[in-house]
Amino acid sequence: KQEVTQIPAALSVPEGENLVLNCSFTDSAIYNLQWFRQDPGKGLTSLLLIQSSQREQTSGRLNASLDKSSGRSTLYIAASQPGDSATYLCAVFDSWGKLQFGAGTQVVVTP
Amino acid sequence: KAGVTQTPRYLIKTRGQQVTLSCSPISGHRSVSWYQQTPGQGLQFLFEYFSETQRNKGNFPGRFSGRQFSNSRSEMNVSTLELGDSALYLCASSLGDTGTDTQYFGPGTRLTVL
Repeated sequence: KQEVTQIPAALSVPEGENLVLNCSFTDSAIYNLQWFRQDPGKGLTSLLLIQSSQREQTSGRLNASLDKSSGRSTLYIAASQPGDSATYLCAVFDSWGKLQFGAGTQVVVTP
Repeated sequence: KAGVTQTPRYLIKTRGQQVTLSCSPISGHRSVSWYQQTPGQGLQFLFEYFSETQRNKGNFPGRFSGRQFSNSRSEMNVSTLELGDSALYLCASSLGDTGTDTQYFGPGTRLTVL
């Protein structure tokens, strides 16, 4: 059974610092991996999707890497801003097309 | 393009009642998935519909059911509500062709069971 873990559960950084968010999964036979952000009481906003054949994906200040062999993905956010404060979730697609989510990392960027 | 919409946004029900939630996907998307989010269990997959057929199902009791219409809109029904059904219910839509393409989530329906 696939398990997705995100460590740390919470993170606080000063504005301008780069953010590094980790995601690990137990079964390397994943299809795709998707990163989301969630603001309090809101739905999920898609950030990036990395296909299983890719090693990384970039969008603006965001860069996500994927290492299937070690069961890890990392989301980098460059030059963090207070507006980046949110909970970041990673999710992997299993062979049935279901998304398995991690518990998330709550990020606070202080001005 | 309009995003995924969910109605209603908030619901308060009492134990034993039933409830129906609605989800309208992004235009052109044929897959709709439903998730339950609670503080204790996080995000859990309920089921997925593609072209009016249930394609995937999570580990929830039969009280949770859904359907999809020909215009891809989907409804989720929960019968005989229990206190533990209080949660944020999220739906996600995608093109659905591969089953593993980008998922776009709606704002959710907050269900409170008293």
